[in-house]
Amino acid sequence: AQSVAQPEDQVNVAEGNPLTVKCTYSVSGNPYLFWYVQYPNRGLQFLLKYITGDNLVKGSYGFEAEFNKSQTSFHLKKPSALVSDSALYFCAVRPLTGGGNKLTFGTGTQLKVEL
Amino acid sequence: DAGVIQSPRHEVTEMGQEVTLRCKPISGHNSLFWYRQTMMRGLELLIYFNNNVPIDDSGMPEDRFSAKMPNASFSTLKIQPSEPRDSAVYFCASRGTVGDTQYFGPGTRLTVL
Repeated sequence: AQSVAQPEDQVNVAEGNPLTVKCTYSVSGNPYLFWYVQYPNRGLQFLLKYITGDNLVKGSYGFEAEFNKSQTSFHLKKPSALVSDSALYFCAVRPLTGGGNKLTFGTGTQLKVEL
Repeated sequence: DAGVIQSPRHEVTEMGQEVTLRCKPISGHNSLFWYRQTMMRGLELLIYFNNNVPIDDSGMPEDRFSAKMPNASFSTLKIQPSEPRDSAVYFCASRGTVGDTQYFGPGTRLTVL
Protein backbone atom coordinates (compact mmCIF):
# COMPACT_ATOMS: atom_id res chain seq x y z
CA ALA A 1 0.00 0.00 0.00
CA GLN A 2 1.17 3.50 -0.71
CA SER A 3 1.64 6.12 2.00
CA VAL A 4 2.85 9.66 2.55
CA ALA A 5 4.41 11.17 5.65
CA GLN A 6 4.59 14.86 6.37
CA PRO A 7 6.50 14.89 9.64
CA GLU A 8 5.82 18.50 10.56
CA ASP A 9 2.34 19.69 11.45
CA GLN A 10 3.51 23.29 11.23
CA VAL A 11 6.47 25.15 9.78
CA ASN A 12 7.23 28.74 10.76
CA VAL A 13 9.52 30.91 8.68
CA ALA A 14 10.30 34.61 8.41
CA GLU A 15 9.41 36.41 5.22
CA GLY A 16 12.34 36.50 2.84
CA ASN A 17 13.90 33.35 4.26
CA PRO A 18 13.98 30.06 2.38
CA LEU A 19 11.35 27.50 3.30
CA THR A 20 11.20 23.71 3.17
CA VAL A 21 8.16 21.53 3.73
CA LYS A 22 9.10 17.90 4.09
CA CYS A 23 7.49 14.85 2.51
CA THR A 24 8.50 11.20 2.38
CA TYR A 25 6.59 8.49 0.60
CA SER A 26 6.23 4.76 0.18
CA VAL A 27 4.93 3.22 -3.03
CA SER A 28 5.39 0.11 -5.16
CA GLY A 29 7.50 0.89 -8.18
CA ASN A 30 8.17 4.37 -9.42
CA PRO A 31 6.18 7.21 -7.88
CA TYR A 32 3.99 9.91 -9.24
CA LEU A 33 4.31 12.78 -6.74
CA PHE A 34 2.29 15.93 -6.20
CA TRP A 35 2.13 19.02 -4.04
CA TYR A 36 -1.11 20.87 -3.41
CA VAL A 37 -1.82 24.02 -1.41
CA GLN A 38 -5.02 24.88 0.44
CA TYR A 39 -5.85 28.41 1.49
CA PRO A 40 -8.49 28.95 4.20
CA ASN A 41 -12.00 28.03 3.08
CA ARG A 42 -10.77 27.04 -0.36
CA GLY A 43 -10.24 23.82 -2.27
CA LEU A 44 -6.85 22.26 -2.91
CA GLN A 45 -4.83 23.92 -5.65
CA PHE A 46 -2.26 22.02 -7.69
CA LEU A 47 1.30 23.34 -7.26
CA LEU A 48 3.57 20.89 -9.03
CA LYS A 49 4.19 17.26 -9.85
CA TYR A 50 7.01 14.85 -10.55
CA ILE A 51 6.66 12.05 -13.08
CA THR A 52 10.10 11.30 -14.50
CA GLY A 53 13.15 13.21 -15.61
CA ASP A 54 14.85 16.07 -13.82
CA ASN A 55 14.74 15.59 -10.07
CA LEU A 56 14.10 19.29 -9.50
CA VAL A 57 10.56 20.25 -10.44
CA LYS A 58 9.43 23.84 -10.70
CA GLY A 59 5.85 24.82 -10.05
CA SER A 60 3.49 27.69 -9.42
CA TYR A 61 4.22 30.78 -7.27
CA GLY A 62 7.98 30.18 -7.24
CA PHE A 63 7.78 26.80 -5.52
CA GLU A 64 9.96 23.87 -6.45
CA ALA A 65 10.39 20.35 -5.18
CA GLU A 66 13.27 17.94 -5.25
CA PHE A 67 12.72 14.25 -5.83
CA ASN A 68 15.23 12.02 -4.04
CA LYS A 69 14.73 8.37 -4.87
CA SER A 70 17.26 6.98 -2.39
CA GLN A 71 15.65 8.89 0.48
CA THR A 72 12.12 8.46 -0.90
CA SER A 73 11.55 12.14 -0.36
CA PHE A 74 9.90 14.96 -2.25
CA HIS A 75 10.47 18.10 -0.21
CA LEU A 76 8.82 21.37 -1.22
CA LYS A 77 11.03 24.45 -1.29
CA LYS A 78 10.97 28.13 -2.02
CA PRO A 79 14.05 30.39 -1.96
CA SER A 80 12.27 33.39 -0.43
CA ALA A 81 9.02 33.01 1.51
CA LEU A 82 6.15 35.50 1.35
CA VAL A 83 3.48 36.13 3.96
CA SER A 84 0.94 35.20 1.27
CA ASP A 85 2.46 31.67 1.13
CA SER A 86 0.91 30.95 4.51
CA ALA A 87 -1.42 28.03 3.89
CA LEU A 88 -1.85 24.28 4.33
CA TYR A 89 0.35 22.16 2.08
CA PHE A 90 -0.34 18.56 1.07
CA CYS A 91 1.98 16.03 -0.50
CA ALA A 92 0.42 13.14 -2.45
CA VAL A 93 1.62 9.98 -4.20
CA ARG A 94 0.41 7.23 -6.47
CA PRO A 95 2.26 4.55 -8.39
CA LEU A 96 3.40 5.60 -11.86
CA THR A 97 1.93 2.40 -13.25
CA GLY A 98 -0.87 0.33 -11.83
CA GLY A 99 -2.54 1.24 -8.57
CA GLY A 100 -5.59 2.70 -10.17
CA ASN A 101 -6.37 6.38 -9.93
CA LYS A 102 -6.08 6.72 -6.19
CA LEU A 103 -3.87 9.46 -4.85
CA THR A 104 -2.76 9.06 -1.26
CA PHE A 105 -2.42 12.36 0.58
CA GLY A 106 -0.33 13.26 3.59
CA THR A 107 -1.86 14.84 6.66
CA GLY A 108 -0.80 18.32 5.61
CA THR A 109 1.71 20.87 6.91
CA GLN A 110 0.58 24.31 7.99
CA LEU A 111 3.06 26.90 6.74
CA LYS A 112 3.15 30.21 8.59
CA VAL A 113 5.25 33.00 7.15
CA GLU A 114 5.73 35.97 9.48
CA LEU A 115 7.01 39.45 8.89
CA ASP B 1 -12.52 26.84 -18.07
CA ALA B 2 -14.68 27.32 -14.99
CA GLY B 3 -12.97 24.56 -13.09
CA VAL B 4 -14.76 22.03 -10.93
CA ILE B 5 -18.08 23.40 -9.70
CA GLN B 6 -19.70 22.28 -6.47
CA SER B 7 -23.02 23.20 -4.94
CA PRO B 8 -24.09 24.20 -2.47
CA ARG B 9 -21.04 25.87 -0.93
CA HIS B 10 -22.56 25.65 2.53
CA GLU B 11 -25.25 23.37 3.89
CA VAL B 12 -26.72 23.35 7.36
CA THR B 13 -29.24 20.65 8.14
CA GLU B 14 -30.70 18.76 11.03
CA MET B 15 -29.88 15.22 11.98
CA GLY B 16 -31.97 12.72 10.07
CA GLN B 17 -32.43 14.88 6.99
CA GLU B 18 -31.29 13.89 3.52
CA VAL B 19 -28.40 15.86 2.08
CA THR B 20 -27.39 15.98 -1.57
CA LEU B 21 -24.11 17.47 -2.71
CA ARG B 22 -23.50 18.21 -6.36
CA CYS B 23 -20.46 18.36 -8.59
CA LYS B 24 -19.79 19.36 -12.16
CA PRO B 25 -16.34 18.21 -13.30
CA ILE B 26 -14.13 20.01 -15.77
CA SER B 27 -15.36 19.41 -19.28
CA GLY B 28 -13.50 16.55 -20.95
CA HIS B 29 -12.29 14.99 -17.72
CA ASN B 30 -13.15 11.33 -17.39
CA SER B 31 -12.37 10.64 -13.73
CA LEU B 32 -14.21 12.11 -10.76
CA PHE B 33 -13.36 11.84 -7.09
CA TRP B 34 -15.26 12.63 -3.87
CA TYR B 35 -13.23 13.48 -0.76
CA ARG B 36 -14.11 14.41 2.79
CA GLN B 37 -11.93 16.65 4.97
CA THR B 38 -12.12 16.87 8.74
CA MET B 39 -9.71 18.02 11.40
CA MET B 40 -9.61 14.56 12.94
CA ARG B 41 -9.22 12.45 9.82
CA GLY B 42 -7.67 14.85 7.34
CA LEU B 43 -8.46 14.29 3.65
CA GLU B 44 -10.21 10.99 2.88
CA LEU B 45 -11.12 9.58 -0.54
CA LEU B 46 -14.72 8.39 -0.44
CA ILE B 47 -15.30 7.14 -3.98
CA TYR B 48 -14.11 7.66 -7.53
CA PHE B 49 -15.54 7.16 -10.99
CA ASN B 50 -13.94 6.47 -14.35
CA ASN B 51 -16.11 7.21 -17.38
CA ASN B 52 -19.15 7.55 -15.09
CA VAL B 53 -18.61 4.10 -13.58
CA PRO B 54 -17.84 3.75 -9.85
CA ILE B 55 -14.44 2.09 -9.54
CA ASP B 56 -13.64 2.14 -5.85
CA ASP B 57 -16.11 3.01 -3.10
CA SER B 58 -14.13 1.46 -0.27
CA GLY B 59 -13.85 4.86 1.40
CA MET B 60 -17.59 5.38 1.72
CA PRO B 61 -18.20 5.36 5.47
CA GLU B 62 -21.43 3.37 5.55
CA ASP B 63 -24.64 2.66 3.74
CA ARG B 64 -26.00 6.08 4.54
CA PHE B 65 -23.66 7.44 1.87
CA SER B 66 -24.27 6.95 -1.83
CA ALA B 67 -22.85 8.52 -4.98
CA LYS B 68 -23.97 8.59 -8.55
CA MET B 69 -22.64 9.88 -11.84
CA PRO B 70 -25.48 9.74 -14.37
CA ASN B 71 -23.42 11.44 -17.08
CA ALA B 72 -19.97 12.87 -17.72
CA SER B 73 -20.87 16.32 -16.48
CA PHE B 74 -22.64 15.66 -13.19
CA SER B 75 -22.25 13.71 -9.98
CA THR B 76 -24.05 13.64 -6.65
CA LEU B 77 -23.10 12.51 -3.18
CA LYS B 78 -26.09 11.77 -0.98
CA ILE B 79 -26.26 11.21 2.76
CA GLN B 80 -29.48 9.74 4.09
CA PRO B 81 -30.07 10.06 6.97
CA SER B 82 -27.45 12.60 7.98
CA GLU B 83 -25.76 12.56 11.38
CA PRO B 84 -23.73 15.20 13.25
CA ARG B 85 -20.53 13.20 12.68
CA ASP B 86 -20.99 13.74 8.94
CA SER B 87 -20.15 17.40 9.42
CA ALA B 88 -17.12 18.09 7.23
CA VAL B 89 -15.99 19.76 4.04
CA TYR B 90 -16.72 17.60 1.02
CA PHE B 91 -14.57 18.08 -2.06
CA CYS B 92 -15.06 16.93 -5.60
CA ALA B 93 -12.09 16.60 -7.95
CA SER B 94 -11.75 15.65 -11.60
CA ARG B 95 -8.93 14.35 -13.72
CA GLY B 96 -8.44 14.30 -17.45
CA THR B 97 -7.09 11.56 -19.63
CA VAL B 98 -3.87 13.42 -20.38
CA GLY B 99 -1.59 13.83 -17.44
CA ASP B 100 -2.62 12.78 -13.99
CA THR B 101 -3.40 15.95 -12.09
CA GLN B 102 -6.58 16.07 -10.06
CA TYR B 103 -8.27 19.46 -9.94
CA PHE B 104 -10.38 20.23 -6.91
CA GLY B 105 -13.60 22.12 -6.52
CA PRO B 106 -14.11 24.74 -3.78
CA GLY B 107 -15.85 22.27 -1.51
CA THR B 108 -19.17 22.07 0.32
CA ARG B 109 -19.09 22.78 4.04
CA LEU B 110 -21.72 20.53 5.62
CA THR B 111 -22.96 21.08 9.15
CA VAL B 112 -25.39 18.58 10.62
CA LEU B 113 -27.01 19.79 13.83
